Amino acid sequence: GQNIDQPTEMTATEGAIVQINCTYQTSGFNGLFWYQQHAGEAPTFLSYNVLDGLEEKGRFSSFLSRSKGYSYLLLKELQMKDSASYLCAVMDSNYQLIWGAGTKLIIKP
Amino acid sequence: ETGVTQTPRHLVMGMTNKKSLKCEQHLGHNAMYWYKQSAKKPLELMFVYSLEERVENNSVPSRFSPECPNSSHLFLHLHTLQPEDSALYLCASSQEWGSEGVVRRNTEAFFGQGTRLTVV
Repeated sequence: GQNIDQPTEMTATEGAIVQINCTYQTSGFNGLFWYQQHAGEAPTFLSYNVLDGLEEKGRFSSFLSRSKGYSYLLLKELQMKDSASYLCAVMDSNYQLIWGAGTKLIIKP
Repeated sequence: ETGVTQTPRHLVMGMTNKKSLKCEQHLGHNAMYWYKQSAKKPLELMFVYSLEERVENNSVPSRFSPECPNSSHLFLHLHTLQPEDSALYLCASSQEWGSEGVVRRNTEAFFGQGTRLTVV
């Protein structure tokens, strides 16, 4: 079966760095997405990786290793507004999105 | 208005009621989706409409009935729901592309804020 694994919850301190991991097993691969979802709000797109390596976008970076079935989202200089759930999703060979259950990130002052 | 809007934001309904969820996208996209989001579970894709034609129906019970009258509007008609259907229902849209009958969807999806549904 197809599976996406990510930690259920993480806690970090304001101003620090946090890495949210995502491992996947899917039928084929057509890219990996990260979305941010604040409580009660819509998921919003953060990043898309289809090739191996690191993609940097401001305070957020996303890394992909296709051979390892592994990605991480790196958040630097954490701010209180970064408290949210972070969803990992992989597009399989049929262009179907397979979603993880999300990682709830709690930022403490 | 911009983006994807959903109404209502909250809905409480009895098991014998009939109600509809509405979604509207102002992004000019050609694909729309209904997702179910339950606490601590992955997003579940329910229906996909591509160019107003339903292309996927992931074993969703018949008490959920989608309708896509045009590329900007999507409805989810609900009837005789069960308490376990209580969840956040999210609508999304994206731009599909492809040729020779092969559809590509590896573009970002834009989500509405969802309808929080409670079945009592």
